[in-house]
Amino acid sequence: GNSVTQMEGPVTLSEEAFLTINCTYTATGYPSLFWYVQYPGEGLQLLLKATKADDKGSNKGFEATYRKETTSFHLEKGSVQVSDSAVYFCALGTTSGTYKYIFGTGTRLKVLA
Amino acid sequence: GAGVSQSPRYKVAKRGQDVALRCDPISGHVSLFWYQQALGQGPEFLTYFQNEAQLDKSGLPSDRFFAERPEGSVSTLKIQRTQQEDSAVYLCASSLALRVSRTDTQYFGPGTRLTVL
Repeated sequence: GNSVTQMEGPVTLSEEAFLTINCTYTATGYPSLFWYVQYPGEGLQLLLKATKADDKGSNKGFEATYRKETTSFHLEKGSVQVSDSAVYFCALGTTSGTYKYIFGTGTRLKVLA
Repeated sequence: GAGVSQSPRYKVAKRGQDVALRCDPISGHVSLFWYQQALGQGPEFLTYFQNEAQLDKSGLPSDRFFAERPEGSVSTLKIQRTQQEDSAVYLCASSLALRVSRTDTQYFGPGTRLTVL
């Protein structure tokens, strides 16, 4: 079956620290992978995506590389800001039947000034 | 419109009441999805529409849940005889493609937070 596992939060960092949020997946076939971000009081926003092995998605200083050999899609940012405080969700797009998203449980990030 | 909109943003219902949640997808988007997000969890798939056709309702948790999209644009998720376990955020998402594929992106609305007392 399809599943996504994210590191548990909350993650608390100081401003300008390096961020890694781990995400691994189990899937039948060859899924696309996504990171969505949910700011307080707002809906899910697409942060970045990758559709094939070794693709690197990037946006707003965040990066994630699709690693087929380790079934991972870890999110990284070199220098976080207070405004990055949010909940981050890793997701995969299923490859059979209805194309729907399977989400991880989310990782809350809190950045302190 | 500029994005997916949902209404109401917050809904409080007494147990046993019926509720209706509305989703306005991005104009021109063919595919529409509903997800349920319990507190502290990731969203879980409920149902999928392609235009007005409901092609997948495998995620609906019980026959108290019903969704429709009669004209292929606005969609309504209805929950009959609400129970406390129905308390969650209900998210709507839309995507452009007629035949969704692995490269498609779903765009999410802000959600409706349902609290059943």
